[in-house]
Amino acid sequence: AQSVAQPEDQVNVAEGNPLTVKCTYSVSGNPYLFWYVQYPNRGLQFLLKYITGDNLVKGSYGFEAEFNKSQTSFHLKKPSALVSDSALYFCAVSRGDSSYKLIFGSGTRLLVRP
Amino acid sequence: ETGVTQTPRHLVMGMTNKKSLKCEQHLGHNAMYWYKQSAKKPLELMFVYSLEERVENNSVPSRFSPECPNSSHLFLHLHTLQPEDSALYLCASSQLPGQSTDTQYFGPGTRLTVL
Repeated sequence: AQSVAQPEDQVNVAEGNPLTVKCTYSVSGNPYLFWYVQYPNRGLQFLLKYITGDNLVKGSYGFEAEFNKSQTSFHLKKPSALVSDSALYFCAVSRGDSSYKLIFGSGTRLLVRP
Repeated sequence: ETGVTQTPRHLVMGMTNKKSLKCEQHLGHNAMYWYKQSAKKPLELMFVYSLEERVENNSVPSRFSPECPNSSHLFLHLHTLQPEDSALYLCASSQLPGQSTDTQYFGPGTRLTVL
């Protein structure tokens, strides 16, 4: 069965420091991986996705994610965090067999302190 | 974010009420989704419509009834809900039905409270 794990409920980082939000997945077949962000009282906003090709994917707001097939991971990164990056981040996976289903992780709250 | 709109943004209803949630997408997409987001739980996919036909009903109780009159509009009709149905209900759309590479775009959600 497909699953996504976000092992950290919360990540704390100082503004200007690099940030990493972790995601690991389990799926049969080729995985398609997504990151979304949710600000308070808002819906999910798409950040980036990995389909195929270069393992380093660049997305919105300076975020990037690295696909690592051997470690079945898709960690979200940003070189320099901003206070405005504080939000809830979701990793999601769909299976490469034409399934439209997105399986979401439980979310990681990112808190960037000034 | 204005590509997918949802109304109302907040809804409080009693257990005997009947209400409807509305979703509209302005992106020219062909698939629409309802999700439930409860505190401390992963997003739960409820229903999927592809080209106006329901293709997924994820063991959702019959007190939730979806309707998709055309590819731009999606409704969720609610009746005799329970307090545990209180949650954020999110609508999403995607361009291509049945494509796992396709990005889903979400609306802002309706915060539902059942008293």
